Amino acid sequence: GEDVEQSLFLSVREGDSSVINCTYTDSSSTYLYWYKQEPGAGLQLLTYIFSNMDMKQDQRLTVLLNKKDKHLSLRIADTQTGDSAIYFCAESTPVDDKIIFGKGTRLHILP
Amino acid sequence: DTGVSQDPRHKITKRGQNVTFRCDPISEHNRLYWYRQTLGQGPEFLTYFQNEAQLEKSRLLSDRFSAERPKGSFSTLEIQRTEQGDSAMYLCASSPGYTSGANVLTFGAGSRLTVL
Repeated sequence: GEDVEQSLFLSVREGDSSVINCTYTDSSSTYLYWYKQEPGAGLQLLTYIFSNMDMKQDQRLTVLLNKKDKHLSLRIADTQTGDSAIYFCAESTPVDDKIIFGKGTRLHILP
Repeated sequence: DTGVSQDPRHKITKRGQNVTFRCDPISEHNRLYWYRQTLGQGPEFLTYFQNEAQLEKSRLLSDRFSAERPKGSFSTLEIQRTEQGDSAMYLCASSPGYTSGANVLTFGAGSRLTVL
C-alpha cells in the first residue's frame, strides 16, 4: 500500500541549510512532491520531481531522490525566518491519481 | 480566477447535525479532491472527481460522508449525523491532471469543522 513517512520536527539556525527527509513505500510512484503550509494558510506546491530524475534544483531548493531506497529529501539553502512552516512530502501514481501526503515536518528557525 | 474557494471557512455544529461544505475549483481544472486534516497530521485523502465522475473514495470514509460534483464544476461534501471525531479541517484541491507533467494540486484555504 501507499505510505509516506517524515520526521515531525526540525530545528535549524537562520542562514544554515535545512534538510527535510521523506521515505515512501510505493515503488510505482511517478511523481514526488513537496508542499509547504504556513500557519493559517492552505498548502502550496514548492516543487516536484519525476521518478526518473535523481536531482532537481530550483533557486534555494534542491530535491534529491533515491529511487532504490525510496528516499526523498528537500534541502533549503540559507534558511530564513520566512521558511518557518510545515513541509509535506507527497507521492502520486498513474494508477489511481490520488496524491498521498506524509504527516509533515515542522521546520523551526532558530535566531 | 481567484483560485480554489471553500465555504464556509469555519463551521461549529452540535453532534448529530448535518453539515455541508462547498468547494469552487479553478475553472479550467477537471479534477477536484477532498482531503481531511487534523492537528499534527498530513492531509488524508477522502475522495476525488474527474469532471462529474467520482473516481475514488477512501475506504476510511464513513457512509455518513457523501460528495457530489453535479455539473463538473463546484463540489459539495456533506457529513450526516456529525460526531466529535469529525472535527477537522476539510481541504479541497483542484488540478488539471497530468497535462503539464505532474498532477499539481492547488488547495483552498479549507473549511474548519468543530463538532460540540
